Amino acid sequence: QKEVEQDPGPLSVPEGAIVSLNCTYSNSAFQYFMWYRQYSRKGPELLMYTYSSGNKEDGRFTAQVDKSSKYISLFIRDSQPSDSATYLCAMKDTNAGKSTFGDGTTLTVKP
Amino acid sequence: DTGVSQDPRHKITKRGQNVTFRCDPISEHNRLYWYRQTLGQGPEFLTYFQNEAQLEKSRLLSDRFSAERPKGSFSTLEIQRTEQGDSAMYLCASSLQGQPQHFGDGTRLSIL
Repeated sequence: QKEVEQDPGPLSVPEGAIVSLNCTYSNSAFQYFMWYRQYSRKGPELLMYTYSSGNKEDGRFTAQVDKSSKYISLFIRDSQPSDSATYLCAMKDTNAGKSTFGDGTTLTVKP
Repeated sequence: DTGVSQDPRHKITKRGQNVTFRCDPISEHNRLYWYRQTLGQGPEFLTYFQNEAQLEKSRLLSDRFSAERPKGSFSTLEIQRTEQGDSAMYLCASSLQGQPQHFGDGTRLSIL
């Protein structure tokens, strides 16, 4: 079983919909949680970065972390066709250099 | 901030050849990371440096792989005697200690 599990989708929504993306993890030492967006043939682009539990909002994006359930979410409001990409969750513990990634969820937003 | 730069963007080589990739991190970042990504998978950690010191290597990094960061700035990743299974996207990232990693657009390696 992988340390970080992510539903691969694909997920298809109409423009303007609210999108919910999720990851679960098994390593209770993880303290830092990231969401990256990756377009085809490009590197991952950092979207959100949170420490420990709680919510963080940045424009149309909201990241939630529930450490008690080992569950993180990314919400996208008013989704746009340009949001069509693969979304990767990542996490790391305090002392580690490396991040551990999920396998990504592919999102398509239809006009 | 010019971002993380990787060269080449795409490398095609025959099985058994050696290849070398270069990564130029964001200039003020003291940490540099290498990951490998195959289709449909998330990036897998290979190794990372803090300044010029290589602090961690994954067991994925066989003895055919070697990475250097000689002056604590750019880094190279070399693969010797390439095999079919080495075909992947090789991603470089950089960060300040305690901050999230920022990725380059990767080097796509194709083994014929």
